[in-house]
Amino acid sequence: TQLLEQSPQFLSIQEGENLTVYCNSSSVFSSLQWYRQEPGEGPVLLVTVVTGGEVKKLKRLTFQFGDARKDSSLHITAAQPGDTGLYLCARNQAGTALIFGKGTTLSVSS
Amino acid sequence: NAGVTQTPKFQVLKTGQSMTLQCAQDMNHNSMYWYRQDPGMGLRLIYYSASEGTTDKGEVPNGYNVSRLNKREFSLRLESAAPSQTSVYFCASSGGLADYYNEQFFGPGTRLTVL
Repeated sequence: TQLLEQSPQFLSIQEGENLTVYCNSSSVFSSLQWYRQEPGEGPVLLVTVVTGGEVKKLKRLTFQFGDARKDSSLHITAAQPGDTGLYLCARNQAGTALIFGKGTTLSVSS
Repeated sequence: NAGVTQTPKFQVLKTGQSMTLQCAQDMNHNSMYWYRQDPGMGLRLIYYSASEGTTDKGEVPNGYNVSRLNKREFSLRLESAAPSQTSVYFCASSGGLADYYNEQFFGPGTRLTVL
């Protein structure tokens, strides 16, 4: 099993702070997805990154795919309480099911 | 367009009882999946169905069976529930493994407690 390591495991910050969470693997993957899961709900897809070095922005969220396609990061600018949740990355290899990391639990307090 | 629906939302079982978790999707997706989520363990794949008529084991299939009833429906059965199966179960669907990105849509989950 080709694992995805996510860090940090937990993050607790104040509203308005910036943060970055990471997703790393020892192997190359064809694409990577980020999901957010709010308490009591199922994960929701935020973005898919495909090309090495790619940067995608979703409002205050910036996603980056590493040049070697072995790692990815999610940066949140000026975090808000509504950003609270579990952030999951998932690796896709064509023809197989997704492999998920264990996630980063983010808590943003006002 | 309801997306992915799951029933029931909550269930309490006694050890040894059986039950079936139901999942349906209305997005005409080819592939469907069952995951379990435990604290600190992330999402672990139990079974998946790449297309109607096929099913395959995932990472943690022991103690479970699945049925892909038709393109829309994919059920998960616990024949003899054990406390270790206490978890939150999620069903998901995607365009298919042949869909290059395999982007998944999740249901709201079933919270199962086995006493």
